Parts: sequence; C-alpha cells; structure tokens
Amino acid sequence: DAGVIQSPRHEVTEMGQEVTLRCKPISGHDYLFWYRQTMMRGLELLIYFNNNVPIDDSGMPEDRFSAKMPNASFSTLKIQPSEPRDSAVYFCASSLVPGGGLNTGELFFGEGSRLTVL
Amino acid sequence: DAKTTQPTSMDCAEGRAANLPCNHSTISGNEYVYWYRQIHSQGPQYIIHGLKNNETNEMASLIITEDRKSSTLILPHATLRDTAVYYCIVRVVLNYGGSQGNLIFGKGTKLSVKP
Repeated sequence: DAGVIQSPRHEVTEMGQEVTLRCKPISGHDYLFWYRQTMMRGLELLIYFNNNVPIDDSGMPEDRFSAKMPNASFSTLKIQPSEPRDSAVYFCASSLVPGGGLNTGELFFGEGSRLTVL
Repeated sequence: DAKTTQPTSMDCAEGRAANLPCNHSTISGNEYVYWYRQIHSQGPQYIIHGLKNNETNEMASLIITEDRKSSTLILPHATLRDTAVYYCIVRVVLNYGGSQGNLIFGKGTKLSVKP
C-alpha cells in the first residue's frame, strides 16, 4: 500500500484565495483525521470522520474551514477565504478501528501539505 | 482524553538507552498509552502502545507503572536517526462499532541523540 497520500505537498497562495487540500487514506481504513501543525500551537486535531461521516469537528477553527469525505477513498479540507494565520502544515491520517491483535488502532499519517498564505 | 506531561527536551548519547518519561496522572481505566514520534517535517509515526502491561516491539519498550499514572518509553540503543519529537498520548480505545475518540497531541519531548 502507498500509505496516506496528500496533495499538494506545498501550496503558496495569497490572502483571500480558496485553498483545497486533498487526502487519500489507506484502503480499508475506517477513520480519517485532519490535523494542523504550527510552531506556536503544535499538532491540533481539526476534524475526524468515521465511515465517511464527520464525528467531531470541534477543532475546526472557524467557518472558513470545511471538510468533506464524499467516499471512503477521498477527503478534502477547504479554506475559504484563506488568511496568513492559516499558514501551517496540514496532516491527514487514517486508521482502522482498533480490534486487537495486529491491529493496533494506530494512525498512519501522510507527509503533510505545507500551506503558506501571503 | 486525559492530558500528559513530558519534559520539553532530552539528550542521549548514541548507542545508549534513551528513557523518555511521561506523566498521565488522570488516566482512566479504558485509556491506553500511545507513543508517536515525529522526525523533522515528516508526519508522526506510531511507535508502541499499551494498557497495563509492559510492551516491547522492534522499535522500543514501554514501561507502565502499576498505578498507570506514568510511563517510560525506552529506545534501547539510540541512533542519530532517533532524533525526533516524541509524543505520549492517552486515548480511549473502544470496541468495534463505538466512536474511537480523537488523538490529542501535546508538545512532546524533543530527543537529541548526539554522537
């Protein structure tokens, strides 16, 4: 398996523009997570999905942020309009439901999308 | 999920054991202890997890105190490639069909392995 795939790896945009980050989870995983990482705040959970349904979006900073998971193999995180304070690395992760044995319930992270808003 | 406390940074000599402590004094009975690490600019990587018993895998050992209020991650022979930020997380893990609960990362411990 190729692991969790995120795109784009790097994005530079201007304030006010719409940004869409994409994630393909590992095939067969039930859960998908979006995190944001900055120097000041560390790794923050934004939202997570179970079987394509959003379970907890309390970490989404404001209405400018939205996330969707239209099917089991694709998710998007959209920022509209973007602001300089949104500059961060955005990570997507996926996991199985912990079921014991070899299934540790661990999260598998993608390599991240580095967003710079000028 | 319970919060954890870790030292901000630690140094370790290459080839020696690295012992990374974590306090989780408010842990509840159904919370597991997970350890992840993040090597510069990469996504976090799972290391090990446990509930009550000590655990060992090819990467590390996890020692959990009897009262479960603290744990120690042990890298038995640290190498330069183990330089990373190490996160200790406590997390509810429910059975199939239940909500999983989120994974909350703290600041972690920055481990520097020196030659």
